[in-house]
Amino acid sequence: EVQLVESGGGLVQPGGSLRLSCAVSGITVSSDYMSWVRQLPGKGLEWVSYIYASGSTTYADSVKGRFTISRDNFKNTLFLQMNSLRTEDTGVYYCARNRAGYNTYFDYWGQGTLVTVSS
Amino acid sequence: QTVVTQEPSFSVSPGGTVTLTCGLSSGSVSTTYYPSWYQQTPGQAPRALIYSTNIRSSGVPDRFSGSILGNKAALTITGAQADDESDYYCVLYMGSGISVFGGGTKLTVL
Repeated sequence: EVQLVESGGGLVQPGGSLRLSCAVSGITVSSDYMSWVRQLPGKGLEWVSYIYASGSTTYADSVKGRFTISRDNFKNTLFLQMNSLRTEDTGVYYCARNRAGYNTYFDYWGQGTLVTVSS
Repeated sequence: QTVVTQEPSFSVSPGGTVTLTCGLSSGSVSTTYYPSWYQQTPGQAPRALIYSTNIRSSGVPDRFSGSILGNKAALTITGAQADDESDYYCVLYMGSGISVFGGGTKLTVL
C-alpha cells in the first residue's frame, strides 16, 4: 500500500521559515517525480515544485528563490524548506507522486499539512 | 502570465451529462499540454480522474472521460450521480518543468 504522510506545518510569522516533510512508503521517492501542491484557504490548487528522479528541481514563480524541494533517499522522505514566508503562503500543503513521465498526473497524495503565516 | 480557465460553477441533473472545460487565457489547449483532471471533496486530498487528455486513472469509472473540444480540454461526466458533486480541477503542463492548475469548477448535482 502506498502512503504519503506530511508533517511540519504550523503557525509561523511573516518572514519566518518552516520545513515540511513527507514520509513515503510503498514507492521510492528517488525513482519517481515527486511534487508539492498547495491549496490556499477557500481557493483552488496550486502546483508548487517538482523534484525529478535525476534530482533536478523546478518551482512555481510564486515560490522561486524562497522554497527548496529536496529528498532523503535513505529515509524515503520528501521535504519542502520554506523561507521568507508571506501571508499569501498560508494553506494546506500536499505532497504527491507523479506517475513517471507525466508532470500533470499526480496519482498518490498525502492528507496535507496546514501552514498558517500570520503575525 | 498564462492563466488556466475553468467554469466557476456548473450544475447537472442526476443521470444527466455535463462537460467541464479547461482553457487558456491566451492560446489553445492541445494534447501537448497533457491535460489532467482531479476531483476534490471538502477536507479531502484531490483524486486523479483523467491524465494525458483522455486516460482514466486506475479505478475511475468509465462515466468520466476526457477529450479536446475545440481549443479546450474537456471532462465529460455521463450518468451523473449525487456523489459526483465535488470540485473539479484541471492542470496543464506548460513546459520547462512548470504546471498550472485551473481555478476549479464547483459541480452541483440537483
